[in-house]
Amino acid sequence: DVKVTQSSRYLVKRTGEKVFLECVQDMDHENMFWYRQDPGLGLRLIYFSYDVKMKEKGDIPEGYSVSREKKERFSLILESASTNQTSMYLCASSLRTSAGDTQYFGPGTRLTVL
Amino acid sequence: ILNVEQSPQSLHVQEGDSTNFTCSFPSSNFYALHWYRWETAKSPEALFVMTLNGDEKKKGRISATLNTKEGYSYLYIKGSQPEDSATYLCAAEDYKLSFGAGTTVTVRA
Repeated sequence: DVKVTQSSRYLVKRTGEKVFLECVQDMDHENMFWYRQDPGLGLRLIYFSYDVKMKEKGDIPEGYSVSREKKERFSLILESASTNQTSMYLCASSLRTSAGDTQYFGPGTRLTVL
Repeated sequence: ILNVEQSPQSLHVQEGDSTNFTCSFPSSNFYALHWYRWETAKSPEALFVMTLNGDEKKKGRISATLNTKEGYSYLYIKGSQPEDSATYLCAAEDYKLSFGAGTTVTVRA
């Protein structure tokens, strides 16, 4: 089974802090993704990566950056956390096939910025 | 980004009853339609992926259909059980997944 792990389930940070969210997958997937989920909204794509050292902006990249130095690890960075970044953050990985891009998700990190 | 809508936002169903809910998406630039189940405190789990008009998929008591011409998919739960309580997400795929806000199903014993 694919396993996607995230470094923390719950995280509380203060405004202005630099925050690192780590994601690791164990299935040698090429693709990795970071989403945030807020009440009443669908999962929104922040950044994604199709290969090591490669990154692409998603729909809401402002205030975030990412790092992918190794294939199995994809990090989301909040350079200066703000209260509007309080959210549930989900990491996913996939191996795209002709049958579609089925993504495998981690358990999520619930981040609170005070 | 594809505009994906799900309805209803939430529903309550009595144990043993059947239910269904909808996902609508723009039918142009469409590649695949995904359904995920997201139980509380767990990771979203892939249920189905469908690509062709008329596709039907089934997994136990849960099934889904796809109409790409009119841009909708139905997910059906037959004989609901408490373990079916979850948020069901659909996502339309062009070059990436665009998710709906989900339908939260609560099955009452």
